[in-house]
Amino acid sequence: DTAVSQTPKYLVTQMGNDKSIKCEQNLGHDTMYWYKQDSKKFLKIMFSYNNKELIINETVPNRFSPKSPDKAHLNLHINSLELGDSAVYFCASSPGSSGTYEQYFGPGTRLTVT
Amino acid sequence: GNSVTQMEGPVTLSEEAFLTINCTYTATGYPSLFWYVQYPGEGLQLLLKATKADDKGSNKGFEATYRKETTSFHLEKGSVQVSDSAVYFCALSSQGGSEKLVFGKGTKLTVNP
Repeated sequence: DTAVSQTPKYLVTQMGNDKSIKCEQNLGHDTMYWYKQDSKKFLKIMFSYNNKELIINETVPNRFSPKSPDKAHLNLHINSLELGDSAVYFCASSPGSSGTYEQYFGPGTRLTVT
Repeated sequence: GNSVTQMEGPVTLSEEAFLTINCTYTATGYPSLFWYVQYPGEGLQLLLKATKADDKGSNKGFEATYRKETTSFHLEKGSVQVSDSAVYFCALSSQGGSEKLVFGKGTKLTVNP
């Protein structure tokens, strides 16, 4: 009965490959997010979807493409992986897009590009 | 733009010591303020929050007060435990427009028995 789940937990791949990370939430929330946490633990938002509609799209290379097939899922596809993409990627969800809401985070996906 | 500055870590304390982690912010309007905690190998979870000036958030013995005059939201705990060892993130979310969370750089706390 995990609230926000991500798969896979670990992902090791070579430069140039294409990979996807999946996220699902069973909280009934309307809004979902992708964050990137670098090796120094700095956390930065990448994308946000509200009711399947993209509402936040930070300055992220267009090799990163989010997709939300329904309110409960938000996937992240990454093309042509680069060494600098190595990080921990967190999915999160919240009841709505208002800034007062708590966000619920998944356990993270550690991506290592070699 | 909006930003959060929190004290550099790491912070190492003995059990039962007093904890303060400083956090100041820059934002337009009236942001909501949060402290999130990340235990080793896990995702972030909300520790406490405050949504307007002078509000005090509290949880698990931790407290922080939203001080608009000093643009601060310092985290305090009177007596830390080994289980409090984690990375603590201060964050803000502005109202209106794209209401995204902006995080500080995190402060790693280690509590020794």
